Amino acid sequence: GEDVEQSLFLSVREGDSSVINCTYTDSSSTYLYWYKQEPGAGLQLLTYIFSNMDMKQDQRLTVLLNKKDKHLSLRIADTQTGDSAIYFCAESHILTGGGNKLTFGTGTQLKVEL
Amino acid sequence: DAMVIQNPRYQVTQFGKPVTLSCSQTLNHNVMYWYQQKSSQAPKLLFHYYDKDFNNEADTPDNFQSRRPNTSFCFLDIRSPGLGDAAMYLCATSTSTSGFTDTQYFGPGTRLTVL
Repeated sequence: GEDVEQSLFLSVREGDSSVINCTYTDSSSTYLYWYKQEPGAGLQLLTYIFSNMDMKQDQRLTVLLNKKDKHLSLRIADTQTGDSAIYFCAESHILTGGGNKLTFGTGTQLKVEL
Repeated sequence: DAMVIQNPRYQVTQFGKPVTLSCSQTLNHNVMYWYQQKSSQAPKLLFHYYDKDFNNEADTPDNFQSRRPNTSFCFLDIRSPGLGDAAMYLCATSTSTSGFTDTQYFGPGTRLTVL
């Protein structure tokens, strides 16, 4: 089945690193994504990782994938107040009719304190 | 800039009064999606178009319909909105070739209020 779980809240101090965790159940997912959502806004793609990789780094963002444990994490280095938002992980499934379906996690609200 | 545009950003309708939400894209992507996101919940796929082919999710209520008159535009019609349909509606696009997935790009969303 499809079920993606995340912890609901994370609070960090400005300048510290944030680590947001995600567990998923479908091992057939080809890509896993991280999206950011600010209040009242749409989803902004942050980064993604292909399922045959175990790590991807993109500036302040590091994604780690443990496929055996179906665990995905997003590390944000030097967290800033502008990083305060809800972060969704999502697994991707190819649809038989074409396209792909994203199944999102519950979202983690990141609060950055001064 | 190439992007996904949703209009209006905020829509208020009355219980039972049909409403249409609009999405347009300049990315020339062949796949367009509609997601529903209720307060404090994850987005949930309602349906999508692969080119002109409509694909409905099994649990999408009949009250929700969609039209895609051309590559650039896609509409979400809610025939008789109920209070439970109040949500953020997100449009997304991707380009998808057979056997591969591609990244979905989201619009800013339309927040629907039902009175």
